[in-house]
Amino acid sequence: GAGVSQSPRYKVAKRGQDVALRCDPISGHVSLFWYQQALGQGPEFLTYFQNEAQLDKSGLPSDRFFAERPEGSVSTLKIQRTQQEDSAVYLCASSSGFGTEDGYTFGSGTRLTVV
Amino acid sequence: KQEVTQIPAALSVPEGENLVLNCSFTDSAIYNLQWFRQDPGKGLTSLLLIQSSQREQTSGRLNASLDKSSGRSTLYIAASQPGDSATYLCAVSEDSNYQLIWGAGTKLIIKP
Repeated sequence: GAGVSQSPRYKVAKRGQDVALRCDPISGHVSLFWYQQALGQGPEFLTYFQNEAQLDKSGLPSDRFFAERPEGSVSTLKIQRTQQEDSAVYLCASSSGFGTEDGYTFGSGTRLTVV
Repeated sequence: KQEVTQIPAALSVPEGENLVLNCSFTDSAIYNLQWFRQDPGKGLTSLLLIQSSQREQTSGRLNASLDKSSGRSTLYIAASQPGDSATYLCAVSEDSNYQLIWGAGTKLIIKP
């Protein structure tokens, strides 16, 4: 596609509910990143995929967070048993290369509100 | 642990003024530094990327400088316009060169 597409744009979840956030990267982009952005803060790294391989998941805040990219294209970020501190914008980015100088294209994000 | 700080957190200036946004980082061992723009409800757009060996980069009315030894970067915006209103974030990458470490941003408002 022309850009990185994320869905849904907005999600309201009751505390304890499971959610799944989807990212459609630019076709052919090998690298895919998930970031979490709390209100008024900069994004925080969550995880990094190179094709279907999850090379770094050190930023996932707890074992309730899980990400996958099974066919090296679409990625899903799943959060189990959501808590209020999970409320944030979740940003996905993709890149044609492997380094930051290759340029990222960001999606518009999914705003998750846990009530 | 690398920390990135942006000052001021918010800035409001009249249209036409030249302005400077500041970014500082605690560990000078960076691979590169980028400036991004974030508009409400939209994704982040990369503005300028400076490699660690470079001193500055320019794009149109934007000029970004890097002083790696002192851990500072500035984004200079010339002849500001209302369309420049957005949040500006800087981010650094380290040896891994795929993970970005971000500042909290400066929210810029240009008054017509």
